[in-house]
Amino acid sequence: EPEVTQTPSHQVTQMGQEVILRCVPISNHLYFYWYRQILGQKVEFLVSFYNNEISEKSEIFDDQFSVERPDGSNFTLKIRSTKLEDSAMYFCASSEQSRDTQYFGPGTRLTVL
Amino acid sequence: KQEVTQIPAALSVPEGENLVLNCSFTDSAIYNLQWFRQDPGKGLTSLLLIQSSQREQTSGRLNASLDKSSGRSTLYIAASQPGDSATYLCAVKGNTGKLIFGQGTTLQVKP
Repeated sequence: EPEVTQTPSHQVTQMGQEVILRCVPISNHLYFYWYRQILGQKVEFLVSFYNNEISEKSEIFDDQFSVERPDGSNFTLKIRSTKLEDSAMYFCASSEQSRDTQYFGPGTRLTVL
Repeated sequence: KQEVTQIPAALSVPEGENLVLNCSFTDSAIYNLQWFRQDPGKGLTSLLLIQSSQREQTSGRLNASLDKSSGRSTLYIAASQPGDSATYLCAVKGNTGKLIFGQGTTLQVKP
């Protein structure tokens, strides 16, 4: 069964460093999303992406964040200068159409020291 | 602003019991509602999706209902098993693509 994959599973970085989180969505899906979950808190929406552009972003998704689909398979989230409060589990998701089931990847645990 | 609440926050039941998890949302203008399972430190596994025009969906021992007008959904788990122990999340989708999640109900099924 097709699944969303994410790499790395765990990323440790120093405050102020740039990180890139990678996702491979399900191949025939057109809509891509990033969410995050700070330990013990709700899953929060960050950004949605369709047709090679951002379709919606949350207040969390400030200028430090960017997304890209550099080729036909990968979908990346870049954090330019990480802060301690960026420590969280980051989930990538994809769906075939906007109203369809969103399928989530296993997540990348980001630890900022 | 849409708010999603799940009650109870935690639930412990003996194996074999039927149980109901509750989810409520403040804005009834939703496109669909999705139930997920999350194991500790893991990703989210989609269990059921109910479109706004539907009243319920079933998958195996799981049955999810939706009452859009009252802003409520329930997830019914029949004949619970220890393997059902996990956190169950509900999430609603409005007129944009994003999902808005509840805090989750952590279920423990004791053998």
